[in-house]
Amino acid sequence: AQKITQTQPGMFVQEKEAVTLDCTYDTSDPSYGLFWYKQPSSGEMIFLIYQGSYDQQNATEGRYSLNFQKARKSANLVISASQLGDSAMYFCAMREGERPGSARQLTFGSGTQLTVLP
Amino acid sequence: NAGVTQTPKFQVLKTGQSMTLQCAQDMNHNSMYWYRQDPGMGLRLIYYSASEGTTDKGEVPNGYNVSRLNKREFSLRLESAAPSQTSVYFCASSERGTGSISYEQYFGPGTRLTVT
Repeated sequence: AQKITQTQPGMFVQEKEAVTLDCTYDTSDPSYGLFWYKQPSSGEMIFLIYQGSYDQQNATEGRYSLNFQKARKSANLVISASQLGDSAMYFCAMREGERPGSARQLTFGSGTQLTVLP
Repeated sequence: NAGVTQTPKFQVLKTGQSMTLQCAQDMNHNSMYWYRQDPGMGLRLIYYSASEGTTDKGEVPNGYNVSRLNKREFSLRLESAAPSQTSVYFCASSERGTGSISYEQYFGPGTRLTVT
């Protein structure tokens, strides 16, 4: 089974509007972290936001917020007031386990290509 | 700080040739990772190193070897390149510790490898 599922291969949004990018995950580990990364056409991976499984509140970072619904195993990224520079591929990723001293491998979804229209 | 650097940026190999991708980080991170990204897919973990002196296989290790040369450097070697290894390769690093702290991974700019 896929650990991270992003069901929207492509999304379009009008400039200045909000957009939600979907991410569902699958884990039996009670301790995990969820990440969103942005990959513009230049290719680099840019960290956007993190949500821990024990966090009580949804994470926010500027125009980015994470709609974390633990029971539904979803971690959707919300981008408010979209800008042309937000056009990029967006990846959801999960890190399982919090064993002390462990490495922090990430499992990635297949991504959503967001296009912001002027 | 340069962050995570990778060399080369681009490489074309013939089937059967070997090469080493270099990665270095200056953030004093303990853990380092190698991923590959194929068109239409997310990143898949090839190998990782939790700390200096240790390496472990990830999701897609076949055809690759790694060396954690020191705390800063983590190299990826293709002994006999195959067309199926045509991909973009990313190196990443992160802190290693306890507790539910984000410890996001920092990525290098990537190496675009074509095997003909």
